[in-house]
This record gives sequence, structure tokens and C-alpha cells, in this order.
Amino acid sequence: GAGVSQSPRYKVAKRGQDVALRCDPISGHVSLFWYQQALGQGPEFLTYFQNEAQLDKSGLPSDRFFAERPEGSVSTLKIQRTQQEDSAVYLCASSLRSPSSSGGSEQYFGPGTRLTVT
Amino acid sequence: AQKVTQAQTEISVVEKEDVTLDCVYETRDTTYYLFWYKQPPSGELVFLIRRNSFDEQNEISGRYSWNFQKSTSSFNFTITASQVVDSAVYFCALSEAAIYNQGGKLIFGQGTELSVKP
Repeated sequence: GAGVSQSPRYKVAKRGQDVALRCDPISGHVSLFWYQQALGQGPEFLTYFQNEAQLDKSGLPSDRFFAERPEGSVSTLKIQRTQQEDSAVYLCASSLRSPSSSGGSEQYFGPGTRLTVT
Repeated sequence: AQKVTQAQTEISVVEKEDVTLDCVYETRDTTYYLFWYKQPPSGELVFLIRRNSFDEQNEISGRYSWNFQKSTSSFNFTITASQVVDSAVYFCALSEAAIYNQGGKLIFGQGTELSVKP
């Protein structure tokens, strides 16, 4: 079956531009996560959705970052007025069950979007 | 505090050698989950294993084995008879129970880059 897909795979933005990154999770997966991975580092949590509800956005680094999942499937991460420090790989992951029902379910990751801000 | 430490930044071995990747974690919870992921050069994180804190049995899957020791807060990963295709960055991750971690977000270590030379 299809895995998690993300688009675009690569994005170059000039400082100050807005960008939108898309994630298509595995069909039927309840939970969706966004992570940011800087070069040479492990992924860091940004935000979490259970269906269409954004239940945790504690990892979003500033109010320039916004995420949505309006119909409980596809999600978009938007970054406004991009800065050079936003350059990173943005990873999306989905999980079949919500954690409250099954504990720490394994997450399946997409290939990521590499964002470069010049 | 929750934290994952992978002290080995890079490891280089020759094919057919055994190699162990270390992972030490910190958590405030008695119920938690530990994971290993592989990130090949293509960039997509591949799920390898999930363990919960109540199951300390070691696990073997083909050439892979995992040693979970709560007494030392470690969850080490051994590859036996390494192959060139094992070359990748390996991440250890922690997910606390839902009471502290509504979304089941993963806390990653910084990763260990394994290079297997022919």
C-alpha cells in the first residue's frame, strides 16, 4: 500500500516568502505528526493532529508556523515570512491509532521536504 | 526531563563485523516506549522496532538484535555480520505515556551514522 507522501520534496524560498508544505498520510491513519530535522540532528517535534483536531502544537518555534488538517486526512504546514533558520527537512509521520488507545504506536514517516531559505 | 542520548556520532566498520549502537534515555514516567529508526541516504525514516517499558525481553530479528536494560536506562541495537546496505543514520527515540504526552510524540537522539565498508 502507499506510504506517507510529502510535496514538494525540495523547496527554495527567499527570505520573507511564505511556503506551504503538504503531507498525505497513510489512508485511515488517525494521528499525524510534523517534525523538523536540522542538518546532522535528530527530528524535533512540531505539532500533532488526531483526525482534524490539533491537540499539541507545543513544538512550533514561532507564530510564523501554522499547521492544519481540515478533513482529518491531508495536512499542510505553512511557514510565513521565512527566515534562514527555518532551513531544514520537514518530516511528516502518521500513525494508525491515537496514543490514548494504544500507547506509543509506531509512526510511519514520509520522505520529507527539504526547505532552503536564501 | 525526557531525553535520548546517542553518544556515538559516527561508527565505521568493515563488512561482516558486528556493531552495537548505544542509546541511553531519561524519562519521568514508568510507562514509556522506545523505538529505533533507520534513515538511509534517501532520507526516509524507516521503523525498525518498538518496545514498551514493561517488556525487557531482548529481541532478535534476523541480523538485528536489541538489548533493553531498565536498570541502566539503555536500549542498545546490535547488527551482526554487517553489510554495506546497513550504512545509514540510526535514531533511537522515546515516547512517554499519554498522560504526559498526549500525542505520543517521539523524542529522538541525535543519531549515529554507521558506515559499513566492503
